[in-house]
Amino acid sequence: KQEVTQIPAALSVPEGENLVLNCSFTDSAIYNLQWFRQDPGKGLTSLLLIQSSQREQTSGRLNASLDKSSGRSTLYIAASQPGDSATYLCAVRQGGSEKLVFGKGTKLTVNP
Amino acid sequence: NAGVTQTPKFQVLKTGQSMTLQCAQDMNHNSMYWYRQDPGMGLRLIYYSASEGTTDKGEVPNGYNVSRLNKREFSLRLESAAPSQTSVYFCASSKRTDGANVLTFGAGSRLTVL
Repeated sequence: KQEVTQIPAALSVPEGENLVLNCSFTDSAIYNLQWFRQDPGKGLTSLLLIQSSQREQTSGRLNASLDKSSGRSTLYIAASQPGDSATYLCAVRQGGSEKLVFGKGTKLTVNP
Repeated sequence: NAGVTQTPKFQVLKTGQSMTLQCAQDMNHNSMYWYRQDPGMGLRLIYYSASEGTTDKGEVPNGYNVSRLNKREFSLRLESAAPSQTSVYFCASSKRTDGANVLTFGAGSRLTVL
């Protein structure tokens, strides 16, 4: 059974700092991995999707990497801003399945 | 605006009451999902529908039923609500694009069962 873990559960940083969020998964036979952002009381917004054949994806100040063999992904946020404060979740999709398995998320607070 | 619409946004039920959560998407997506989100548990898949006319159980289907009414709509029904079903419920949809499966989520429905 696939398990997805995100460490740390919470992170607080000063504005302007570069930071890395971590995601690990137990079964490397994934189809893709997706990073989401969730604001309090809101739904999830997809940030980046990395196919199993890819090593990284970039969007603006965000860069997500994938090391499938070691079961790890990182989300790098450059020059963090207070508006980046949210919970970040990663999710993996197994090959041959429509289902996503989510981690419990990392709650990020960027202090002005 | 295009997206996933869920109703109601909030609902309070008494134990044993029934209700249906409605979900509709206008993006012509094939797949639709129902998740629940609980503190400390993350998001867990209840049911999903890979295409119109098909539904499959997810991780936590007990106590729920679903209906894929048409391509746009996917409803979740609680026949006899229990306090353990107090949660925030999210509907999502996706289409396959170049083999990807990007999910679009609704804003959520907060359900309290007393």
